[in-house]
Amino acid sequence: EIVLTQSPGTLSLSPGERATLSCRASQSVSSSYLAWYQQKPGQAPRLLIYGASSRATGIPDRFSGSGSGTDFTLTISRLEPEDFAVYYCQQYGSSRYTFGQGTKLEIK
Amino acid sequence: QVQLQESGPGLVKPSGTLSLTCAVSGGSISSSNWWSWVRQPPGKGLEWIGEIYHSGSTNYNPSLKSRVTISVDKSKNQFSLKLSSVTAADTAVYYCARAAPVDAFDIWGQGTMVTVSS
Repeated sequence: EIVLTQSPGTLSLSPGERATLSCRASQSVSSSYLAWYQQKPGQAPRLLIYGASSRATGIPDRFSGSGSGTDFTLTISRLEPEDFAVYYCQQYGSSRYTFGQGTKLEIK
Repeated sequence: QVQLQESGPGLVKPSGTLSLTCAVSGGSISSSNWWSWVRQPPGKGLEWIGEIYHSGSTNYNPSLKSRVTISVDKSKNQFSLKLSSVTAADTAVYYCARAAPVDAFDIWGQGTMVTVSS
């Protein structure tokens, strides 16, 4: 099973700043099958990025994804107040999905 | 626009079976998508439970496989989850979700809280 490790666990930033979230896999992941989600309290996760770098429908272009192999990054170029939430990476391989443990992005 | 809605008991006794249904509206469950269940214990992260295709083909999380059954009812445009021999560790919000062809979950239900307690 591929384990995804996200860092940092908590990221404290101010609106307008740039956020960089990391997702590291225990073995190589196909870039086609790496996704990122945003989750706010009491809500279901929302798909942000799929295929490591493609934005889902309706996602603002301040969100971008990059990476390959075992190291992937979600970048939010300029934080808006509504971006403070928990972010999860997810991979698909060998007919199963796994999620990272999440990064909480909080207001500094 | 496809929407998903989970339903089922909010309280299940220990050693019992958790049963949930996900109704698909605004689209057909027979489309070229897999349909999944994902759960989230209170204050914790996301765990994939398993998935089903409209043909009835399934894949399960190996850690839960011995206790999970996912089925589909095309006539009702819905799919279901059964989790047997539940314990307090199975207390969670349970989500149903659609896997887009890119193997990411693009549509989610609102989630339903299930508590395992006597």
